[in-house]
Order: sequence, then C-alpha cells, then structure tokens
Amino acid sequence: DGGITQSPKYLFRKEGQNVTLSCEQNLNHDAMYWYRQDPGQGLRLIYYSQIVNDFQKGDIAEGYSVSREKKESFPLTVTSAQKNPTAFYLCASSVRGDYGYTFGSGTRLTVV
Amino acid sequence: QKEVEQNSGPLSVPEGAIASLNCTYSDRGSQSFFWYRQYSGKSPELIMSIYSNGDKEDGRFTAQLNKASQYVSLLIRDSQPSDSATYLCAVKLANEKLTFGTGTRLTIIP
Repeated sequence: DGGITQSPKYLFRKEGQNVTLSCEQNLNHDAMYWYRQDPGQGLRLIYYSQIVNDFQKGDIAEGYSVSREKKESFPLTVTSAQKNPTAFYLCASSVRGDYGYTFGSGTRLTVV
Repeated sequence: QKEVEQNSGPLSVPEGAIASLNCTYSDRGSQSFFWYRQYSGKSPELIMSIYSNGDKEDGRFTAQLNKASQYVSLLIRDSQPSDSATYLCAVKLANEKLTFGTGTRLTIIP
C-alpha cells in the first residue's frame, strides 16, 4: 500500500542535541512538507520541497534543517538552535497542482 | 488578520443531529478548499475537497463553498460519536501551499 512513513513515532532529545526525523513516501508525490503542531494549535509550516535537491523555508524554519536528495525522502533535523522543540511533527506529501496533502502518522518529540 | 479562521469550539452536538463547521478565508485568489479530520494524538486525514461554488456531498459529509462570501463549511449529518475530533479547514492558492486554520473541536454527545 502507498503511503507516508514517519519514524520514530516517539523521540526524546537532550538539551544541545541534534536529532533527525525520518519521512519516506512511496506515493510518487513531487512535493513534501514538514509541519509542527503544538497542543491546541494549528499546523505551522517548517520547510517544504517541490522537487529533488530544492527546498524552501516555511514560516518557522529557524533551528531546523532539511535535505531532499531523493524524491521519496525528506528528513528533518531539529538542531540545538531550536529552543523549544517539544511538539508533534507531521510530514506530508502531494502531487503538484490543486490537491490536498497526505500526512504521515507523525513523530512526537520531547526534550528531556 | 488570520488567513484562515475557524471557531475553535468546542462544538457539542447530540448524536444523530447535524454538525455544522464553518471557516472563512482572507485571500480572494484561493482556489482549492479542504477539510481534514484529526483525532486526538493522530495525524490529519483528508475527508473532503471542494473547488467550485455550491455543495459537494460524500456520504454523511457535505462541503459548501461560497467564494463571494469567502466562506466554506462542512456539514456532518446523522452525527456519530466516532465523528468526535478536531476538524481543520485548509485553503490553497493556485500552485501554492496549503494554509490551515487552527481547527474546530467537535464533540458528539451520545
């Protein structure tokens, strides 16, 4: 079955540590996105990529980095520069055009 | 001014009744409109898309779009306890990114 796989489901980060969240899709979608969701709040866009080897900052890119070396993969690194990283991270993908996004199951990151 | 606005709720509806969820958007160039359902602790799931003025029905769900009023709504008929979730409205300009509202929390009371 086609879909988006995010791993791990839960992740704990120590202060000052970089962590990488994985996002893989087999839907043959061109575009991929990373969102952050805080309790009781909406989705905030971190980074997005519409083609391989190209990506753009979203609304809250500071403290995060991404790469898009393969169409299927769009990993997100939460760096130590992100001062408040505890949140639910969602990866999504879409075909180009006026279509909705398909979301992965999310990664819940907690700072310990 | 927020680009996509929703009443955060909670909206409580008796089982079997019609739940009505509303969303307004600010950009008149918006072309695509979506409703997502998000259960607590889970990721959003696309349940409806609408692109032209009027109503679009899918089972118990009806999406309504009025571009002149910049208004999109979702009706859920014969509400079930399993419909209890947060509903996110999302709007897209042509070839642009989705912009999400903050969601309306819906509770169906048995």
